Amino acid sequence: EAGVAQSPRYKIIEKRQSVAFWCNPISGHATLYWYQQILGQGPKLLIQFQNNGVVDDSQLPKDRFSAERLKGVDSTLKIQPAKLEDSAVYLCASSPYRGIATNEKLFFGSGTQLSVL
Amino acid sequence: AQSVSQHNHHVILSEAASLELGCNYSYGGTVNLFWYVQYPGQHLQLLLKYFSGDPLVKGIKGFEAEFIKSKFSFNLRKPSVQWSDTAEYFCAVNEGTGGFKTIFGAGTRLFVKA
Repeated sequence: EAGVAQSPRYKIIEKRQSVAFWCNPISGHATLYWYQQILGQGPKLLIQFQNNGVVDDSQLPKDRFSAERLKGVDSTLKIQPAKLEDSAVYLCASSPYRGIATNEKLFFGSGTQLSVL
Repeated sequence: AQSVSQHNHHVILSEAASLELGCNYSYGGTVNLFWYVQYPGQHLQLLLKYFSGDPLVKGIKGFEAEFIKSKFSFNLRKPSVQWSDTAEYFCAVNEGTGGFKTIFGAGTRLFVKA
């Protein structure tokens, strides 16, 4: 089956510029996640969607980060304006399960490596 | 709030040595536990998982992990590592009911010398 697709693979911008990342999850996966992975750290959840609704965005810096999943399929994550500390790999993941009792594994994309200069 | 601690940030082993990577979590309720692996140049992928039942779970490539509820631990083990096990290993936890937000540890970089 096709995996989680992300683009671009790499992005270099200057601070205060804007940037957008795109993610297409595995077909039929209801749940979509955006994680931020700073060098030397584990992935940190930014936002979680169930279909096109937000389940958790408690760690999303909402003054500069935004995300949407309009039709419950692909998603975009935007940073405006970017700061130096936003340099990281932005990972998209999806999961097929809708239930609340348990959750199965996450399928990850290759990520977008962002460098803010 | 949940948190996940991985004790070793870097581990260097020779081939055929035994491996144990520590993972502790903080959450008092029902949890689901995972180990993910990221090989050089590849994306994160699931190594093994625990939801319920036998606390000793077996995953791919000869890895296993043991859930010890009283110690809030889920350590990863492999009796004999290979050069191809060189990778970064992440322990992850999510709550067993509702929300199912998955929290990751900081990761352990394993380098296996041939």
